[in-house]
Amino acid sequence: GAVVSQHPSWVICKSGTSVKIECRSLDFQATTMFWYRQFPKQSLMLMATSNEGSKATYEQGVEKDKFLINHASLTLSTLTVTSAHPEDSSFYICSARDEKGAQTEAFFGQGTRLTVV
Amino acid sequence: RKEVEQDPGPFNVPEGATVAFNCTYSNSASQSFFWYRQDCRKEPKLLMSVYSSGNEDGRFTAQLNRASQYISLLIRDSKLSDSATYLCVVNLGTGGFKTIFGAGTRLFVKA
Repeated sequence: GAVVSQHPSWVICKSGTSVKIECRSLDFQATTMFWYRQFPKQSLMLMATSNEGSKATYEQGVEKDKFLINHASLTLSTLTVTSAHPEDSSFYICSARDEKGAQTEAFFGQGTRLTVV
Repeated sequence: RKEVEQDPGPFNVPEGATVAFNCTYSNSASQSFFWYRQDCRKEPKLLMSVYSSGNEDGRFTAQLNRASQYISLLIRDSKLSDSATYLCVVNLGTGGFKTIFGAGTRLFVKA
C-alpha cells in the first residue's frame, strides 16, 4: 500500500531557530500534500495544502511567513517552522493521497514531535 | 459550525460492550468518508472507508447517510485493544480533495 515517510520523528530546538520537516511519498506521486498540527488532547488541524510546483494554500489563522512550505517534486514536501517559539511545540503530521490509485483515503507520515525550548 | 463534528466523548465501556460513534459533516460536496484510529502520540491510521450501502469488517460496521450528512461507526464486542481515539474523516470534492478531520472521540475499554 501507499507509504508516506516523515522525517524527523522528533526534534528539540532552541527558541528563534528554524526547523525543517520533510514528507515523502515513497511509492506514489502526490501533487498535493497536507500539513496538520495537533496539540495535546486536541484534534488534527489542517494548516496548509502543499501544491507541487506552486504556492501552498494556508488555512485561516496560519502564518505563511512562519510556516514555509515547499513542494519541489512530486514526492517531497517540506515544512519549515521559522523562528520557532515554545508555543509552536506540537505534533506535526503530513498526509498525501495516491491520486492515480483507486483508493481515496489519505496516508500519513509518522508525525514529527517538535519541542521548542 | 465545524465542517466535521463528532461526539465529544470520552466513552468508557467494559469489555464486550457495543459502542457507537456518530459524526456529521456540513459540506454537501464531500465525496468520500472514512474512520481513522489514532493511538496516543501516533499518526492516524485508516480503520475503514464508509459507503452509503454500509460496510462491515469483523466487529466494526460503518454507515453513511448522505441525505442527513451523517456517518456512524459501531464496534461490537469491544476489546481492550480498541481503546484509542476514533476520527471521522471527510474528503472534500473541491480544491484537490482536502481532507478534514473531526475532533475525534476517545474510547476507553476497561476489563
